[in-house]
Amino acid sequence: GDSVTQMEGPVTLSEEAFLTINCTYTATGYPSLFWYVQYPGEGLQLLLKATKADDKGSNKGFEATYRKETTSFHLEKGSVQVSDSAVYFCALMDTGRRALTFGSGTRLQVQP
Amino acid sequence: EAGVTQFPSHSVIEKGQTVTLRCDPISGHDNLYWYRRVMGKEIKFLLHFVKESKQDESGMPNNRFLAERTGGTYSTLKVQPAELEDSGVYFCASSQGPGASSKFFGPGTRLTVL
Repeated sequence: GDSVTQMEGPVTLSEEAFLTINCTYTATGYPSLFWYVQYPGEGLQLLLKATKADDKGSNKGFEATYRKETTSFHLEKGSVQVSDSAVYFCALMDTGRRALTFGSGTRLQVQP
Repeated sequence: EAGVTQFPSHSVIEKGQTVTLRCDPISGHDNLYWYRRVMGKEIKFLLHFVKESKQDESGMPNNRFLAERTGGTYSTLKVQPAELEDSGVYFCASSQGPGASSKFFGPGTRLTVL
């Protein structure tokens, strides 16, 4: 079945540091890939997405590239801010399905 | 426009008791989903409604869980009787279209079973 594996947290960074959160996946079809973010006390929000190989999703300074050859979708940001502190979830939606398959989440803590 | 709302935000019950979680989707959204995150692990799909019909309930863990969406508006998820392993955060999401980019999630209900 489908699965998503992402690096365990927490990840603690200083403000303006470079961020990478690794995500790899297993899927039977041709999935779309997503990053969701959950800020404290809020629901999950879609951060970015990519629907096919080599697509790059980007939003709010975050980027992730759909790498079919390595089955990866790593999240990156060049300079994190304190306001980026949240839990980040990698997810996929496989062909013909409407349910999302999520990873276990990575908590990011950015210190001033 | 109001987002997806869930009630209660937190529930603490004892093993063997019954709890009912409620989700109010965004008005006009035909698709409603339940997910849960147990013990800090991955968020897992439970089921999907299209209007009042269960489209996919493949993620429901066992028959102690009952989901309803009478009238195709709000949904309830009842756990009866609750077990310790049911503790976690239960998320609801809604969408008008089928794509993941159109799903809006609620803040979740944190369920603690003692």
